[in-house]
Amino acid sequence: NAGVTQTPKFQVLKTGQSMTLQCAQDMNHEYMSWYRQDPGMGLRLIHYSVGAGITDQGEVPNGYNVSRSTTEDFPLRLLSAAPSQTSVYFCASNLLGRENEQYFGPGTRLTVT
Amino acid sequence: GNSVTQMEGPVTLSEEAFLTINCTYTATGYPSLFWYVQYPGEGLQLLLKATKADDKGSNKGFEATYRKETTSFHLEKGSVQVSDSAVYFCALTPNTNAGKSTFGDGTTLTVKP
Repeated sequence: NAGVTQTPKFQVLKTGQSMTLQCAQDMNHEYMSWYRQDPGMGLRLIHYSVGAGITDQGEVPNGYNVSRSTTEDFPLRLLSAAPSQTSVYFCASNLLGRENEQYFGPGTRLTVT
Repeated sequence: GNSVTQMEGPVTLSEEAFLTINCTYTATGYPSLFWYVQYPGEGLQLLLKATKADDKGSNKGFEATYRKETTSFHLEKGSVQVSDSAVYFCALTPNTNAGKSTFGDGTTLTVKP
């Protein structure tokens, strides 16, 4: 199992550009989530999905879109990047049920200039 | 809403010292509680978990007990090693929505030889 994979590992964007962060998991997990990690602020939930075709907003959804067409993939789209979106982004997946831990990808470090 | 509060860091200890990192939470119902560890340049990985009151999670010499009466889940280790240097996150997953986990801000631990 590859677990949770994310691409790219690093990305630099100019303000106003768009891009998609890719996330895939091969563990057949129902749940998938996107977080951003900023210094001193822990992880903040952006969007999450409880299965193919079902997504919902987290704590900080503005400026980000998601969709989930398959169980395996959960891309995160930035439609018009802003410097405030400079961060490290983590994708995670877990099985159904509150007792199940999340499995995290290695992260994407995004810089918006 | 749900929240997780961790003791402020960073924490610096000498090898073989005793470690405590405090974590308290606010949540309705019966959340599951987790400690994750993040090594430099990596994603988070599960350290230990507890899913109901009075449960003790343990792994690699680390322990934490789910205390519902004090809404706490403090992380302890009797003798830390240099290899324990990392960032530690306390997190909860509510019983009402396993997709909406909440993380603390993280505590950076540095262990000196």
